[in-house]
Amino acid sequence: EAGVVQSPRYKIIEKKQPVAFWCNPISGHNTLYWYLQNLGQGPELLIRYENEEAVDDSQLPKDRFSAERLKGVDSTLKIQPAELGDSAVYLCASSYGNTGELFFGEGSRLTVL
Amino acid sequence: DQQVKQNSPSLSVQEGRISILNCDYTNSMFDYFLWYKKYPAEGPTFLISISSIKDKNEDGRFTVFLNKSAKHLSLHIVPSQPGDSAVYFCAASDQTGANNLFFGTGTRLTVIP
Repeated sequence: EAGVVQSPRYKIIEKKQPVAFWCNPISGHNTLYWYLQNLGQGPELLIRYENEEAVDDSQLPKDRFSAERLKGVDSTLKIQPAELGDSAVYLCASSYGNTGELFFGEGSRLTVL
Repeated sequence: DQQVKQNSPSLSVQEGRISILNCDYTNSMFDYFLWYKKYPAEGPTFLISISSIKDKNEDGRFTVFLNKSAKHLSLHIVPSQPGDSAVYFCAASDQTGANNLFFGTGTRLTVIP
């Protein structure tokens, strides 16, 4: 069974440019998460989807970040415009049910210059 | 405010000995706890969990202990193996759902052959 797939793995952009990350969750997983992981820190939730609905986006900086999960499968996280402080790893995860066991992708490492 | 704390950023242990990783939490509403393991350039993977109704859960070489009164949990790895070298994240969820995870900052375990 394929795991959570994220792309791109690495992205380098200049500040004020836009960037987008894509995530394909494990088939059948209805819950999808985007996490932010800064260097030396643990993952922090940005947004959580139950199917197509964003059920928790309280930590998403809505002035520059947006996300969508069309048809309840793939998801895209966008930053526009990017700032220097956005340099981090963006992790996507998915789960089925309410077990606490999240399956993470390899992450997308963003560097903003 | 960090609700889940891992105060030891790193730990080195000889192969075959016990590794003990510690985690403290501040939110008394947390009732489900998990440990995730992360290798470089990979996403975190679920390792073991424990519900607040238990004080111990064992899975092979891995045992998690929970002390609710002290708001403390620990992960024991016995015997430690070089392949256990990774960053270990403690995570906790509250009663809003097991998938609403709060992560600690991680402890880097190095098992010396």
